[in-house]
Amino acid sequence: QKEVEQDPGPLSVPEGAIVSLNCTYSNSAFQYFMWYRQYSRKGPELLMYTYSSGNKEDGRFTAQVDKSSKYISLFIRDSQPSDSATYLCAMSPYNQGGKLIFGQGTELSVKP
Amino acid sequence: DAGVTQSPTHLIKTRGQQVTLRCSPKSGHDTVSWYQQALGQGPQFIFQYYEEEERQRGNFPDRFSGHQFPNYSSELNVNALLLGDSALYLCASSLGVAGAEQYFGPGTRLTVT
Repeated sequence: QKEVEQDPGPLSVPEGAIVSLNCTYSNSAFQYFMWYRQYSRKGPELLMYTYSSGNKEDGRFTAQVDKSSKYISLFIRDSQPSDSATYLCAMSPYNQGGKLIFGQGTELSVKP
Repeated sequence: DAGVTQSPTHLIKTRGQQVTLRCSPKSGHDTVSWYQQALGQGPQFIFQYYEEEERQRGNFPDRFSGHQFPNYSSELNVNALLLGDSALYLCASSLGVAGAEQYFGPGTRLTVT
């Protein structure tokens, strides 16, 4: 079993929809949680960074961490065609902050 | 503000050869981590360099080695290339060895034939 599980999709939604992306994990030592956006053949771009449990909002993006369920989510409101990309969740333990463990990535397509 | 840069963008090598990839961290960062990303997969951690020393290592063989220079830039070396080494190699920089907030470069796409 992988340490971080993420549904690869693909996920297709109409423009303006609310998108929900999720990851589950097995290592209770994970304390740092990130979401990255990766366009085709490009490097990952950091979208959201959170420490421990709770919610964080940045514009149209909201990240949620539920450590009791070992479950993290990224919500995208008013989705745009430019949001079409692969979304990667990543996390690391409190004592190995520099070693990120990634999910497989979810491919998202937002249709005009 | 200069972001993370990597060179070359793309290269093609033959099985058994050796390759060196280069990375310059984001301005103000002192730590560099390297990742390998196979097609359709998430990046996998190779190793991390801080203060010119390897600090953490993932599950990669000794054929993968690296170096960090006094200006914080870094190199990744891969010896005795295998077909399975074909991937996108990503460099990420952060502040401090425990820095989980990492910023990635555009990557180097390596093709081994």
